[in-house]
Amino acid sequence: KAGVTQTPRYLIKTRGQQVTLSCSPISGHRSVSWYQQTPGQGLQFLFEYFSETQRNKGNFPGRFSGRQFSNSRSEMNVSTLELGDSALYLCASSFDRGPYEQYFGPGTRLTVT
Amino acid sequence: GQNIDQPTEMTATEGAIVQINCTYQTSGFNGLFWYQQHAGEAPTFLSYNVLDGLEEKGRFSSFLSRSKGYSYLLLKELQMKDSASYLCAVALLDSNYQLIWGAGTKLIIKP
Repeated sequence: KAGVTQTPRYLIKTRGQQVTLSCSPISGHRSVSWYQQTPGQGLQFLFEYFSETQRNKGNFPGRFSGRQFSNSRSEMNVSTLELGDSALYLCASSFDRGPYEQYFGPGTRLTVT
Repeated sequence: GQNIDQPTEMTATEGAIVQINCTYQTSGFNGLFWYQQHAGEAPTFLSYNVLDGLEEKGRFSSFLSRSKGYSYLLLKELQMKDSASYLCAVALLDSNYQLIWGAGTKLIIKP
């Protein structure tokens, strides 16, 4: 079974630009969560999607948004990039909502200059 | 508020045993996860505890005490490949099934 895939793997953007990251979950997984990871901060929860609906949202500004498609693939968008948005963005999928094991993708390393 | 504490960094010797602690204060509890994350890689699942006690899985064991808000991950017969960050996460008992993550413990194994 193929794992979670994320594209692109690396991205360099300039302040003020916007970016879209993509995540394809494991086949059959319906829940997709997004996290931001920076050194020393651990995983910061962005949002969770299930059945094309955002079910849960972390404490991030409205510049961060996402969506999920009918095939469970998900995208997240960051508008008006700031230097502080430089981070590793991880996508994780799980079979269903609830305390299930999450399978993480390799992440997208975003650098904002 | 929700809070999870883990040591920032630990050092251990190859072949030895190390215990990584995680304490939590959360509103509601629906289990505790441990994940391993090698540098530059994605986190991978190690264990999930929802009842008190010790669960053993090969060289790795995880313990939970709900009354004390405490868990630990025990790694035996340490190998160099165990050098990684170990993340503790608590599942909240709410309708959002939210996970609260600790900042992680970086484990350094020395020969």
